[in-house]
Amino acid sequence: IAGITQAPTSQILAAGRRMTLRCTQDMRHNAMYWYRQDLGLGLRLIHYSNTAGTTGKGEVPDGYSVSRANTDDFPLTLASAVPSQTSVYFCASSDGGNTEAFFGQGTRLTVV
Amino acid sequence: AQSVTQLDSQVPVFEEAPVELRCNYSSSVSVYLFWYVQYPNQGLQLLLKYLSGSTLVKGINGFEAEFNKSQTSFHLRKPSVHISDTAEYFCAVRQGAQKLVFGQGTRLTINP
Repeated sequence: IAGITQAPTSQILAAGRRMTLRCTQDMRHNAMYWYRQDLGLGLRLIHYSNTAGTTGKGEVPDGYSVSRANTDDFPLTLASAVPSQTSVYFCASSDGGNTEAFFGQGTRLTVV
Repeated sequence: AQSVTQLDSQVPVFEEAPVELRCNYSSSVSVYLFWYVQYPNQGLQLLLKYLSGSTLVKGINGFEAEFNKSQTSFHLRKPSVHISDTAEYFCAVRQGAQKLVFGQGTRLTINP
């Protein structure tokens, strides 16, 4: 069982470039999430999707966009990367309101 | 909005000593509570969860947590820690179908 797959595992990106972080789950979960993890700040929610075709803004959505064309995929796009977007990004999914979220292994992004 | 506070950013303990990692959340309305563990350079793994029923919840690796509604707390405990417990621990809360909100994390360091 693969669970959640994120790609790439790490990336160095020039400021101003566009970048899409990929996330795929094979658990048929309805809800999916993107978090960023920064030292001392824990995990902060960027965007989420409760079901295919819908998305919502989290705590820190500026500079990021998402789409949810189907149940399995939830890509995160940085339209024009800035150094403050250097972080570790985690994709997660869950199967309902009272269940836990399952996490991918993360993407380490460095914007220079 | 729901919030989670982990009262200690770092907790150093000696091997085989007991440990308690503290977590408080903001709302006394019905919530679901989770503890996750993150080993170095890995994603988050669920330790335990409280959905309903008994307030004492047992998880993996000998950890347990107690839900205290009056104090809005969900502290994590282990009676005797091992070197392999060195990791970062995150408390998280979900209120109904709302998003999963994380605390800032507690870095547990086990000294020999």
